[in-house]
Amino acid sequence: GENVEQHPSTLSVQEGDSAVIKCTYSDSASNYFPWYKQELGKGPQLIIDIRSNVGEKKDQRIAVTLNKTAKHFSLHITETQPEDSAVYFCAPWEFGNQFYFGTGTSLTVIP
Amino acid sequence: DGGITQSPKYLFRKEGQNVTLSCEQNLNHDAMYWYRQDPGQGLRLIYYSQIVNDFQKGDIAEGYSVSREKKESFPLTVTSAQKNPTAFYLCASTPALYSNEKLFFGSGTQLSVL
Repeated sequence: GENVEQHPSTLSVQEGDSAVIKCTYSDSASNYFPWYKQELGKGPQLIIDIRSNVGEKKDQRIAVTLNKTAKHFSLHITETQPEDSAVYFCAPWEFGNQFYFGTGTSLTVIP
Repeated sequence: DGGITQSPKYLFRKEGQNVTLSCEQNLNHDAMYWYRQDPGQGLRLIYYSQIVNDFQKGDIAEGYSVSREKKESFPLTVTSAQKNPTAFYLCASTPALYSNEKLFFGSGTQLSVL
């Protein structure tokens, strides 16, 4: 199966600063790259995704960048707010395979 | 609103007991999944189903069983053979198996051993 690594495992930022989380994967055939946000005691929710024919996608304060050659993609959150505090997971996907989740990044935004 | 409903929110299991976690969806999705989440770890796939009366083992199926008698329902039974059942269990769905679309998740069930 796919080897997925996420860094960092924990991240603390001051409110208003930016946060970046990186996801490295092993399967070069992966072609769908989602990021999920999980709040305490809840199920994960998709916040942004990107497909392999696109290098970058942005949705307000959230962006995802993809480097297929290096096999990594990153989540960027700008102007962080306390409600961004959560655990974030990447889950690269290849057709015919399951989603393999990273181990998660716990983000804390300090007011 | 369409979504996935998991119940109960919290569940306690005694030694030697089987317990069943409920998962119901009204999204008209064909594929459903069960994941296990342990603290500080990613989600690991237990079982999945692409259609009624069909299901397949995931990476950590030992000690678990499922059924898919209706499209809307995919219950998970944690059997007494699962020696370390304490975890957060998540049910999810997609329109079809191997669909490169987002997973829809329920709100989870926390299972603990008494």
